[in-house]
Amino acid sequence: QQQVKQSPQSLIVQKGGISIINCAYENTAFDYFPWYQQFPGKGPALLIAIRPDVSEKKEGRFTISFNKSAKQFSLHIMDSQPGDSATYFCAAYSGAGSYQLTFGKGTKLSVIP
Amino acid sequence: SQTIHQWPATLVQPVGSPLSLECTVEGTSNPNLYWYRQAAGRGLQLLFYSVGIGQISSEVPQNLSASRPQDRQFILSSKKLLLSDSGFYLCAWSGQGGHQPQHFGDGTRLSIL
Repeated sequence: QQQVKQSPQSLIVQKGGISIINCAYENTAFDYFPWYQQFPGKGPALLIAIRPDVSEKKEGRFTISFNKSAKQFSLHIMDSQPGDSATYFCAAYSGAGSYQLTFGKGTKLSVIP
Repeated sequence: SQTIHQWPATLVQPVGSPLSLECTVEGTSNPNLYWYRQAAGRGLQLLFYSVGIGQISSEVPQNLSASRPQDRQFILSSKKLLLSDSGFYLCAWSGQGGHQPQHFGDGTRLSIL
């Protein structure tokens, strides 16, 4: 019940295309959903986050869509660029006295010219 | 602004040797602190977290221990390393309270020979 399932495991997108990464969860106590971007040899960096009372959040080329009834959320990267090539992690957090972020297993995105 | 430092960046240790990894945070006070281990294709696994000096919670039974001797210092230790301790170790901090994003350092790549 604590899992966050992330797909696909890897993704290849042409420059200028849309990258879509999906995550699903079971624990209805999760109430905060951040996405992290990680480049090789670096720690994950917070990219964008959403709460379940919002169905969509956009920051630049990055958009999170959230479907509370389906317990699914996704990251869309518009106009994907080679510099977006990285591993992306979705995560979920239960603010109810828990300090643990539950992470998906990651998606390795490669944007080819 | 807040910064987090981890060292060393890479470490090669023989089996059975001790370990000490250090993490310090600047620009904030009374942060929550976290140690994660990242294995390829398996996402991030929370090892320890701390909500204050001397307060350590362990999420996974293992060969490792953590200490927080100062407000912004978090140390990961082992008395005798195992081959299975190899991995990428990440320290993170967050503010107190709910829905606080976690911010990661650049990690330590630990190889056990």
